[in-house]
Amino acid sequence: DTEVTQTPKHLVMGMTNKKSLKCEQHMGHRAMYWYKQKAKKPPELMFVYSYEKLSINESVPSRFSPECPNSSLLNLHLHALQPEDSALYLCASSLTGTGDYEQYFGPGTRLTVT
Amino acid sequence: GENVEQHPSTLSVQEGDSAVIKCTYSDSASNYFPWYKQELGKGPQLIIDIRSNVGEKKDQRIAVTLNKTAKHFSLHITETQPEDSAVYFCAAKGGHSSASKIIFGSGTRLSIRP
Repeated sequence: DTEVTQTPKHLVMGMTNKKSLKCEQHMGHRAMYWYKQKAKKPPELMFVYSYEKLSINESVPSRFSPECPNSSLLNLHLHALQPEDSALYLCASSLTGTGDYEQYFGPGTRLTVT
Repeated sequence: GENVEQHPSTLSVQEGDSAVIKCTYSDSASNYFPWYKQELGKGPQLIIDIRSNVGEKKDQRIAVTLNKTAKHFSLHITETQPEDSAVYFCAAKGGHSSASKIIFGSGTRLSIRP
């Protein structure tokens, strides 16, 4: 089973709202990732968690706040977003964060900020 | 840091013909090269990968070749079918200080003409 699940599939939020995206995997992977993908562009890395610790933050604005409650779960808390933050948010996981292990992606959450 | 260039950006082939997508990378320390297929409304799906200790890898109609000296790698799809229509991303991973990061190419939109 190489499944990464993400909820919700779609999210519309106003600029003053607070919402959260959720990602889950049960493959025993110890590295989890958040990516942002704009239309017709490749995924852009936002955060990497390795063994439940934040190991990479790609200078993401503080209105995006990641959280890794345990080795299977990854959240992305959203607050005071801007319309330009509208995008597909992808979660991925791999066995570990180092080495050449495959990254498996979830289906994404389509976020629209109004 | 690593930079991955991908060509062509769009590719249209007749059903049953072959399709080739080419990528080059800049960091000679990169050692892992995955290819992802992304269908409309879905997350990227890993379809094949190659590590730096091999020159070619095949999986049914899909093959990838790697030339480490020239720092380029290619995806070959034979006997193309309508379900091969999607956006394909090449990627490179590894290097000295960014072991957790996959660097994606810009993507190729492949269309299969019936």
